[in-house]
Order: sequence, then structure tokens, then C-alpha cells
Amino acid sequence: AQSVTQLGSHVSVSEGALVLLRCNYSSSVPPYLFWYVQYPNQGLQLLLKYTTGATLVKGINGFEAEFKKSETSFHLTKPSAHMSDAAEYFCAVSGGSNYKLTFGKGTLLTVNP
Amino acid sequence: DGGITQSPKYLFRKEGQNVTLSCEQNLNHDAMYWYRQDPGQGLRLIYYSQIVNDFQKGDIAEGYSVSREKKESFPLTVTSAQKNPTAFYLCASTVSGTSSYEQYFGPGTRLTVT
Repeated sequence: AQSVTQLGSHVSVSEGALVLLRCNYSSSVPPYLFWYVQYPNQGLQLLLKYTTGATLVKGINGFEAEFKKSETSFHLTKPSAHMSDAAEYFCAVSGGSNYKLTFGKGTLLTVNP
Repeated sequence: DGGITQSPKYLFRKEGQNVTLSCEQNLNHDAMYWYRQDPGQGLRLIYYSQIVNDFQKGDIAEGYSVSREKKESFPLTVTSAQKNPTAFYLCASTVSGTSSYEQYFGPGTRLTVT
């Protein structure tokens, strides 16, 4: 069984500040980890993913995440927030043969001017 | 362009009526999924299908039904037995037999039942 916990349902940052969205997971098998972004009334878009190999993963729009097995974490970061980053972000885990993803409840990112 | 289409974008129905949401993909993906999204709840899996003519219940299948007669199509019916059908519904697909498990999402259908 797998689960995802996103710490903080709402994160607010100033434009230009560091963005840090936290994700912890639980998985009985080696996990594949994903971050998705959702803009209002739209579908989800993949930001980045970790499957195997390098633990620091770079994605689109300047985001990156680091897989830390010892901490069971996959936190999402961006050095400098932009107004266009305002959206909801979802962390997800997969690891079974049925290709199912388990999602966290999401973190709403607000960027203040 | 390859992708997933969901129609309609907005759907309104009266309580007690069944309603079918469309999901079509031209990505040649084997597996397809239906999720329900409510504010603060994240995405919850309703049904999924890994091959044509086969599908499995997800975590919240009660009050929903699906079919998978074609690889490209995976329609979802919200029946009158679903006690709280108003929600945002998302369809997704992925390629089976790869190691990435990455899912691609459609734009969603917002269903309002009154």
C-alpha cells in the first residue's frame, strides 16, 4: 500500500522568494514519485518525476525535487517564485504493476507581488 | 496533436438522472483512469482499465460505472445511486509495459447536480 502526505494545504510566498512544497510518502516497494501542477479548472500537468538514478530531478518551469529515501521525502523547490507559479501542486507515488498513482491532497501556492 | 479530450467541459443535471462523461485519447495508451476531485481532497480513483474489455474498481467506485470497448475510449457513467455527484472529474491515461507510470490528464469535466 502507498500513501502521500503533503505538509501544508496552502503556502504563500512573495514573488522572487524560494518556493518549498513538502511531500512525504509511504511505499512498500521502491517508489516512483511525481509532482503535478493544476491551474484553475484545468487538468494536471506533469512537472517532474523520479523513477531511478539521480536523486535530484529537474523539471519544467525551473522546479526541481530531491528524492531522499532515508527521509521518505520528495520535496519540490524553486529558487525564485514567479506570479505564474500560483497554482495547486500535487505529489503522487506509484510502485505497483497496476500503474496506479496515489495522490496527496494538494498544496495551493499563492505568490504575492 | 496527441492528447486526451473530455467532453463536455461543464455539465448540469437534475438529481436522479444518470449522466455519462466522455474520455477519448489518441496517445495509443493501454491504461486509462477516472478520478474525482473535490476541494481539499486531492484526486481519488474511481475506476481504471489496463486493457480493452477489462476494468477494475478504484477507491470510490460506488455509484459509478464504466466501459472499455475501444482502446481510445473510456466513458464514465455517474448513476443516480451516487449520493454526492457534484465534483470535478478527470480522465487520465498511461502506457503499459514501461517503467515510468507517468499519467497524462485530460482537461476535466465539472459536473453539477441539483
